[in-house]
Amino acid sequence: EVQLVQSGAEVKKPGATVKISCKISGYTFTDYYMHWVQQAPGKGLGWMGLVDPEDGETIYAENLQGRVTITADTSTDTAYMELSSLRSEDTAVYYCATGILSTSPYYFDYWGQGTLVTVSS
Amino acid sequence: EIVLTQSPGTLSLSPGERATLSCRASQSVSSSYLAWYQQKPGQAPRLLIYGASSRATGIPDRFSGSGSGTDFTLTISRLEPQDFAVYYCQQYGSSRPTFGQGTKVEIK
Repeated sequence: EVQLVQSGAEVKKPGATVKISCKISGYTFTDYYMHWVQQAPGKGLGWMGLVDPEDGETIYAENLQGRVTITADTSTDTAYMELSSLRSEDTAVYYCATGILSTSPYYFDYWGQGTLVTVSS
Repeated sequence: EIVLTQSPGTLSLSPGERATLSCRASQSVSSSYLAWYQQKPGQAPRLLIYGASSRATGIPDRFSGSGSGTDFTLTISRLEPQDFAVYYCQQYGSSRPTFGQGTKVEIK
């Protein structure tokens, strides 16, 4: 059974950095890109970026360039998303997502449960 | 970046009615690389449709997708109580996918 299990909720102060994990099981980690998606409270979905776990290559959304870092640890089958210089607008649920049965690596049939990050002074 | 605009923002319908959701792209979506997701409160999105018209595994046939180029449609033929949710389109024709802002289907 494919599972993406994310780390727990975080509360951070403005200016801080948060790092969220996404541990997979049930498939070969290096075979599929891992993406991260942001959803602010009551708002829509925003694609943040992806990592190719096979070689560590990344692509980021242009509006987050310089603040987001996505990595993959193949020894633990875990992907990470780090967001720096946090501000109140970064308060959101963050999802990891991947496409296992997908015909393209850029849409998602498996999602993590989401991690709430609250940025507040 | 391809911008997706969904309409209407909210659709108020009764169970058994037909729902028609629109997704318009700011430029042509290559090879109909358009997906639709359903999201219920407190849950992660669920993939419904990919390739504009192919149903994902386990998705009932009351859900159908159509369209090409810049205009796409998700149709729910007869709304079931569990279909009231928010629906998002997503284009994946580029290496930076983008989502529409969502359409909420609510009970009238």
